Amino acid sequence: GENVEQHPSTLSVQEGDSAVIKCTYSDSASNYFPWYKQELGKGPQLIIDIRSNVGEKKDQRIAVTLNKTAKHFSLHITETQPEDSAVYFCAASRGTYKYIFGTGTRLKVLA
Amino acid sequence: GAGVSQSPRYKVAKRGQDVALRCDPISGHVSLFWYQQALGQGPEFLTYFQNEAQLDKSGLPSDRFFAERPEGSVSTLKIQRTQQEDSAVYLCASETSGGDYEQYFGPGTRLTVT
Repeated sequence: GENVEQHPSTLSVQEGDSAVIKCTYSDSASNYFPWYKQELGKGPQLIIDIRSNVGEKKDQRIAVTLNKTAKHFSLHITETQPEDSAVYFCAASRGTYKYIFGTGTRLKVLA
Repeated sequence: GAGVSQSPRYKVAKRGQDVALRCDPISGHVSLFWYQQALGQGPEFLTYFQNEAQLDKSGLPSDRFFAERPEGSVSTLKIQRTQQEDSAVYLCASETSGGDYEQYFGPGTRLTVT
């Protein structure tokens, strides 16, 4: 069935360093790939997304890349700050349809 | 503007009790989704509405779970005869009709079944 694998499950980086989280999806019909940040006790917050007709998208310190052939997509956070510490989820979707989420990455930015 | 709201934020139920969880989507959002998030896991799809029509309920884990959206705005997720395995955070998300595909999530309802 549809599946999204996410790695690593935990990631610790020094403040100012970069963090990279990788996801792989199985459904070839997926065409929309959002990334969410979830803080303790809160709902997931959309931070960036990418569509299948684009290979890369950047928004300030955050960027996402997509390799449709390999069914891989990645989140890159540069110049990490303590407030970036949270759990990050990738997801894949066929558009206005259910999201299939990864299992999450707990990011710790050490001051 | 106001985001997605959910109530109650926390619910403790004894095993066997029925519960009702409410979701108020962003005004004007046509699509509404319910997800279940177990501790330490990603959200898992339960059901999807477009206006008042329930288009997909394939993720509902058993016939004890029922969702409705009678007027195409507020939605209620009902769980009958709760079991311990129902303990989770229940998230609601809404999406516009503009083809953006962006789902906006509420804060969730944490259900604990004792």
